[in-house]
Amino acid sequence: DVKVTQSSRYLVKRTGEKVFLECVQDMDHENMFWYRQDPGLGLRLIYFSYDVKMKEKGDIPEGYSVSREKKERFSLILESASTNQTSMYLCASEPGLDPLEQYFGPGTRLTVT
Amino acid sequence: AQRVTQPEKLLSVFKGAPVELKCNYSYSGSPELFWYVQYSRQRLQLLLRHISRESIKGFTADLNKGETSFHLKKPFAQEEDSAMYYCALSVGAQKLVFGQGTRLTINP
Repeated sequence: DVKVTQSSRYLVKRTGEKVFLECVQDMDHENMFWYRQDPGLGLRLIYFSYDVKMKEKGDIPEGYSVSREKKERFSLILESASTNQTSMYLCASEPGLDPLEQYFGPGTRLTVT
Repeated sequence: AQRVTQPEKLLSVFKGAPVELKCNYSYSGSPELFWYVQYSRQRLQLLLRHISRESIKGFTADLNKGETSFHLKKPFAQEEDSAMYYCALSVGAQKLVFGQGTRLTINP
């Protein structure tokens, strides 16, 4: 079974703090993704990565950055957290081959106060 | 523009009744569509994809290119079908665009 793990289930941070969300997958998948999940808005893609040290902006990259130093690990960074970044963050990985199926982590619920 | 629309935020049906979750898409290329499901306290997971033309847990979905729809259907709802359902469109390079989601509640 593919396992995607995220470093925290719940996180509370203050406005202006630098926040790191970590994601690790154990199936040697090529592609990794970060989404935020908000009621009524569905999942929105923040950033994705095709390979180590490769990254591409998704639909809502503003206020975020990412790092992929190793194939199995994809980090999301909030340089200066703001209250509008309070959300559920989902990481996903995908093998890069057909069939296209993304495997999701359990999510990190981030609250910025 | 690439877009997926799920017009119903909430859908409530009785056990044993038919279920249809609506999904419409906008895409200029050849569409690949998926349904993902998130049960309570579980992670988001793939339910089915249109290319497989399979039935999973009694659910089916047919791609209608004329109506640009990919509605999810089940003839007889069960209580364990209660979940959040997302329709998703592949827009190339392994990227997915998700709809807003529909929360399905099956009443006993």
